[in-house]
Amino acid sequence: DTGVSQDPRHKITKRGQNVTFRCDPISEHNRLYWYRQTLGQGPEFLTYFQNEAQLEKSRLLSDRFSAERPKGSFSTLEIQRTEQGDSAMYLCASSFLGQASSGNTIYFGEGSWLTVV
Amino acid sequence: SQELEQSPQSLIVQEGKNLTINCTSSKTLYGLYWYKQKYGEGLIFLMMLQKGGEEKSHEKITAKLDEKKQQSSLHITASQPSHAGIYLCGAPNSGGSNYKLTFGKGTLLTVNP
Repeated sequence: DTGVSQDPRHKITKRGQNVTFRCDPISEHNRLYWYRQTLGQGPEFLTYFQNEAQLEKSRLLSDRFSAERPKGSFSTLEIQRTEQGDSAMYLCASSFLGQASSGNTIYFGEGSWLTVV
Repeated sequence: SQELEQSPQSLIVQEGKNLTINCTSSKTLYGLYWYKQKYGEGLIFLMMLQKGGEEKSHEKITAKLDEKKQQSSLHITASQPSHAGIYLCGAPNSGGSNYKLTFGKGTLLTVNP
C-alpha cells in the first residue's frame, strides 16, 4: 500500500492551455475526493466520487473543470482554458466507506501544484 | 455553511515545551479530523474524532472533541522540531455521510531547538 499518488507534482502552464492531473487512490478505497488549496488557506472541497459515480460537485468547480473516475479506480481532473486564478495546489484524497466505525478515514496525496503564467 | 476557526494562527515554541491548538466550529460538529502539512506538501492524517468527549493520543499528540462547545483541541507534549508544520482541522458538513470536509486555515507551528 503506497498511499494516494498524484501526478504530476508540479505543472507550469501558459494561460489558456489545458492541464490534466491524475490521482491513484489507496487500493480498494471506494471514495475519491478532489480539493483545492491556495496559500494560507485550508483545502476546499471540489468534488467526490463513490466508485465511478461523481456524487457531488462544488460551486467552485466551474464548467472549465471536469473530473472522471472510469472503472472506479484512478481519477483525472482536467482544467480547460486555464486562468491565473486556477493557480493552486490540487489535492486528491481517498477513503473506504464501510461498516467499521473506523471507516472513512480520509487520506490525502502529496498534491499537484499548478502555476498558470 | 460551516466555518472552522483555528487559534492561534501561528505559534513559536521552544523545544520541549507543551502547546495547544484549538479549532472552533460555527455549527454542530459531527466529527473532527486533524492533519499535519509541511509547506508545499500533502496532508498527513493524525487523528479522527467521532464522538463528543472522545480523546485520542498518538505518541506525544492528544486530541479531544467537545461537542457542546463545538470545539476540538490538539495538544503536543514536549514538542520537538519534527512537530513543526501546519496543523489543519477539518470537519464533515453533516452526520452520517461524513465525506465533505470543511477545513480551518491552519496553525503554523515553529519549534526552535
